[in-house]
Amino acid sequence: DAGVTQSPTHLIKTRGQQVTLRCSPISGHKSVSWYQQVLGQGPQFIFQYYEKEERGRGNFPDRFSARQFPNYSSELNVNALLLGDSALYLCASSLEQGIAGTDTQYFGPGTRLTVL
Amino acid sequence: QQQVKQSPQSLIVQKGGISIINCAYENTAFDYFPWYQQFPGKGPALLIAIRPDVSEKKEGRFTISFNKSAKQFSLHIMDSQPGDSATYFCAASGGSASKIIFGSGTRLSIRP
Repeated sequence: DAGVTQSPTHLIKTRGQQVTLRCSPISGHKSVSWYQQVLGQGPQFIFQYYEKEERGRGNFPDRFSARQFPNYSSELNVNALLLGDSALYLCASSLEQGIAGTDTQYFGPGTRLTVL
Repeated sequence: QQQVKQSPQSLIVQKGGISIINCAYENTAFDYFPWYQQFPGKGPALLIAIRPDVSEKKEGRFTISFNKSAKQFSLHIMDSQPGDSATYFCAASGGSASKIIFGSGTRLSIRP
């Protein structure tokens, strides 16, 4: 079975541009979460979506937005890119929303975004 | 505010030795404590996880020790192997939200 897939693998953008990252969850998984991992640090939570609705948002500016589609795939959009947005963007899927932290999250390989 | 503190930042262990990574948390609402292993160019992979109602969980060479009163937990890797060389993250989550709070990571190198 395929795991979580993300596209593209790598991306180079310039400051001020906009970027869209894509994620396909494991088949049957309804929840998708997005994390930002800056080099040398642990992943930071950005968003969680469950059944196409936003269920959680981390401490990120409004330049970051996301959505989930009826097939449970998801997109993360970042507008007005800054140099500090350079990072590995990880998508994780889980079967359910994760009641009381019971649900295992499976991570994709990430999209490496470089902002010049 | 960092809610999960991890140490050491890097660790070098001889093959066959014991690798120990420590974490401390602040939020008493956390009720799920996973450890993730990450290889270069890959996403984090769940290694082992524990809940606060048990003090220890062992899976193969990997053991989590949990001290609820001290709000600390640790990962022990027995008989460490070169293939264990990776970055390890402790993490925590809790309540109805499934977002995971990660520690800052430990880069583990196992010397042959």
